[in-house]
Amino acid sequence: NAGVTQTPKFQVLKTGQSMTLQCAQDMNHEYMSWYRQDPGMGLRLIHYSVGAGITDQGEVPNGYNVSRSTTEDFPLRLLSAAPSQTSVYFCASSTGLAGVQETQYFGPGTRLLVL
Amino acid sequence: KQEVTQIPAALSVPEGENLVLNCSFTDSAIYNLQWFRQDPGKGLTSLLLIQSSQREQTSGRLNASLDKSSGRSTLYIAASQPGDSATYLCAVSGNQFYFGTGTSLTVIP
Repeated sequence: NAGVTQTPKFQVLKTGQSMTLQCAQDMNHEYMSWYRQDPGMGLRLIHYSVGAGITDQGEVPNGYNVSRSTTEDFPLRLLSAAPSQTSVYFCASSTGLAGVQETQYFGPGTRLLVL
Repeated sequence: KQEVTQIPAALSVPEGENLVLNCSFTDSAIYNLQWFRQDPGKGLTSLLLIQSSQREQTSGRLNASLDKSSGRSTLYIAASQPGDSATYLCAVSGNQFYFGTGTSLTVIP
């Protein structure tokens, strides 16, 4: 198993550009989520999905869109990048909801710089 | 809103020392608590998960305890090694995971 994979590893954008961060898992996990990690602020939940076709907002959803057309993939879209979105983005998956007895598996992260 | 705090933010110890990392949270209505390890430039690796009904979990040289009523958890690392150097994060689970900001550990050979 590859686990949770993320592409790209690093990306530089100009303000106003759009892009999609890719996330895939091969563990048949229902629950997938996106976090951003900023210095001094820990990881904050952006969006999550409890299964194909079902998504919901987390703590900091503004400026980001998600969709879940398959169990394996959970892309994160930045519609119009802003410098405040400079961060490290992590995708995670687990077999169940955060509230259940489940361990989350994390991808290696995507470092995004918005100029 | 759940607030998770980890103190200290950074810790440096000589090899072989036993150490304790602390995690506190404001809302005791949690399902579980997890400790993660993060190496520089890498993702998070789960170390231990404690259910809200449990008091502690052990894995090798690691022991995590949970006192839900007081909103505290500790991660005990025995006989520390340079390979333990990393950032350790705790996360509590309610309707979502809430993460602390982590403790950066350096074990000096």
